[in-house]
Amino acid sequence: DGGITQSPKYLFRKEGQNVTLSCEQNLNHDAMYWYRQDPGQGLRLIYYSQIVNDFQKGDIAEGYSVSREKKESFPLTVTSAQKNPTAFYLCASSTRGPNTEAFFGQGTRLTVV
Amino acid sequence: GQQVMQIPQYQHVQEGEDFTTYCNSSTTLSNIQWYKQRPGGHPVFLIQLVKSGEVKKQKRLTFQFGEAKKNSSLHITATQTTDVGTYFCAPDNQAGTALIFGKGTTLSVSS
Repeated sequence: DGGITQSPKYLFRKEGQNVTLSCEQNLNHDAMYWYRQDPGQGLRLIYYSQIVNDFQKGDIAEGYSVSREKKESFPLTVTSAQKNPTAFYLCASSTRGPNTEAFFGQGTRLTVV
Repeated sequence: GQQVMQIPQYQHVQEGEDFTTYCNSSTTLSNIQWYKQRPGGHPVFLIQLVKSGEVKKQKRLTFQFGEAKKNSSLHITATQTTDVGTYFCAPDNQAGTALIFGKGTTLSVSS
């Protein structure tokens, strides 16, 4: 089945630790995105990548890092510099053209204690 | 990215009542998309509107794009409990840019 997979669904970490969230897609999409969702805040863009080995900061990139070494993978690292990391993280992918829909993964709920 | 205002933020209705959410922009949009996120789930694409004044229907859902392409609406006729969730608009999906979403309207339905 084609799709976009995020793992794990739930993640717990201690404060001060870096943590990497996985996002894999087999849709052959060039573009991939990371969003953060908090109650009442909608979806806020963290990073996006339009092509392998290239990515751009979104609106709330501070405290996060990404890599795009392979077309199908776009992992997100939540670093200890992120002041409030507990949130629901969503990964999405799409083709690069205009007027294309985004396909979302199931999300990872990160809790930092 | 393009910023839009979605209203209302929350709406509660009785099953069978109608529901409308609005997405408003201060600038002209090239297109707009709508997504639905069920509680505990992930956003799922519903539709895209491109033309001025465009109206599209999906069963009980009616989507409109304003004549000036600065606003859009999603109307649900006779809501059902399956309509529960958060509805997001996402304006101006253009090549080389990321989708930016409105804050969403969360709909709850009581039977």
